Amino acid sequence: DAGVIQSPRHEVTEMGQEVTLRCKPISGHDYLFWYRQTMMRGLELLIYFNNNVPIDDSGMPEDRFSAKMPNASFSTLKIQPSEPRDSAVYFCASSSSPGLAGGGETQYFGPGTRLLVL
Amino acid sequence: AQSVTQLDSQVPVFEEAPVELRCNYSSSVSVYLFWYVQYPNQGLQLLLKYLSGSTLVKGINGFEAEFNKSQTSFHLRKPSVHISDTAEYFCAVRNPSGGSNYKLTFGKGTLLTVNP
Repeated sequence: DAGVIQSPRHEVTEMGQEVTLRCKPISGHDYLFWYRQTMMRGLELLIYFNNNVPIDDSGMPEDRFSAKMPNASFSTLKIQPSEPRDSAVYFCASSSSPGLAGGGETQYFGPGTRLLVL
Repeated sequence: AQSVTQLDSQVPVFEEAPVELRCNYSSSVSVYLFWYVQYPNQGLQLLLKYLSGSTLVKGINGFEAEFNKSQTSFHLRKPSVHISDTAEYFCAVRNPSGGSNYKLTFGKGTLLTVNP
């Protein structure tokens, strides 16, 4: 299994530009999570999906952020326009349904996208 | 609301020494508890989890943790650490009821540095 795949791994952009982060979850997983990690705030959940439907987006910082999951194997997190305070590492994670015997409670993280907004 | 406190932001130890990373949580309901590890420039990886049953949980790489409900703690231990254990460790909690509560709340992390 290839694990959770994220692209790009690194992104440097200028303030005001649109940024799109991509994620391919593990095949068969029906939950997908987007997290942001910064030194100041630690690891924060931004949004999560179940069966491609957004369940909780209360962590999305503001309207500049949007996330979509058009199918079970692809999700995007978009920032438009980007600002320097958006600089962080963005992680995507996936899991199978909670409560399932075995690994349902385990979230599998991708390697992250390191975003720098100048 | 739930919260997680990792009492130490950094823990330096020497190789082959024992280590304990502390985690306390706050919740008005029962919880599931997790420890994740993050190696440099990588994503998080599950070390171990407590869902129910025995309060002593064994995980990968020789780590174990003990759930103490009365003290609302879930401390992580390893009897003898290796250089390769150098990483950041995160404690996390979630409400078992599922549904819209399928969210992990993470602590701020503890950086474990193992010195030769």
